[in-house]
Amino acid sequence: QSALTQPASVSGSPGQSITISCTGTSSDVGDYNYVSWYQQHPGKAPRLMIYDVSNRPSGVSNRFSGSKSGNTASLTISGLQAEDEADYYCKSYTSRSTPSWVFGGGTKLTVL
Amino acid sequence: EVQLVQSGAEVKKPGESLKISCKGSGYSFTTYWIGWVRQMPGKGLEWMGIIYPGDSDTRYSLSFQGQVTISADRSTSAAYLQWNSLKASDTAMYYCVRLAGGYSGVDHWGQGTLVTVSS
Repeated sequence: QSALTQPASVSGSPGQSITISCTGTSSDVGDYNYVSWYQQHPGKAPRLMIYDVSNRPSGVSNRFSGSKSGNTASLTISGLQAEDEADYYCKSYTSRSTPSWVFGGGTKLTVL
Repeated sequence: EVQLVQSGAEVKKPGESLKISCKGSGYSFTTYWIGWVRQMPGKGLEWMGIIYPGDSDTRYSLSFQGQVTISADRSTSAAYLQWNSLKASDTAMYYCVRLAGGYSGVDHWGQGTLVTVSS
């Protein structure tokens, strides 16, 4: 069982916005601003999309944004495009394990 | 440009040993933690352990302690993941990752090494 809880799947139509949630506890998401999001296309390695809750690495579209409220972090993708269809994983720093980061179980995004 | 280049896919039999590699380039290899992440077929991401190549400080996830060995060679800027006796349940994709400074976690991923264990 993953330490962070994500919905198994979300879907949206091209042009719409979707939000993927990532729920942890006060020992991880709630206590640290070190939540990252990764995109993984089938057969490919994950790619960093958001770090430290809401920061985008160079080269990541500004359609991707991150936020956090309490023990729940969120990834929002606006203006959905077919290429956004992928699995998305959140990750948070945690004081409860070694290594000191935990992944979410992953969310499959389907673009209808 | 930061790159992590992993060794190629492997097909092994149960009980055999294996060592896969991850070569870092484009940055100071000895000053960033390197980690290994397992992804079993159709499943999510699991931490296996991390190593600091500067002094070989190594930390394992409880689930993988005693099951694998993580090492690094500063002279070749390579990290390694090793099994002494593979099981069918070790069949998975294995990613090496670079940990950004501080607490942010993973900022770069290798391309992955697929390990298949089958009799």
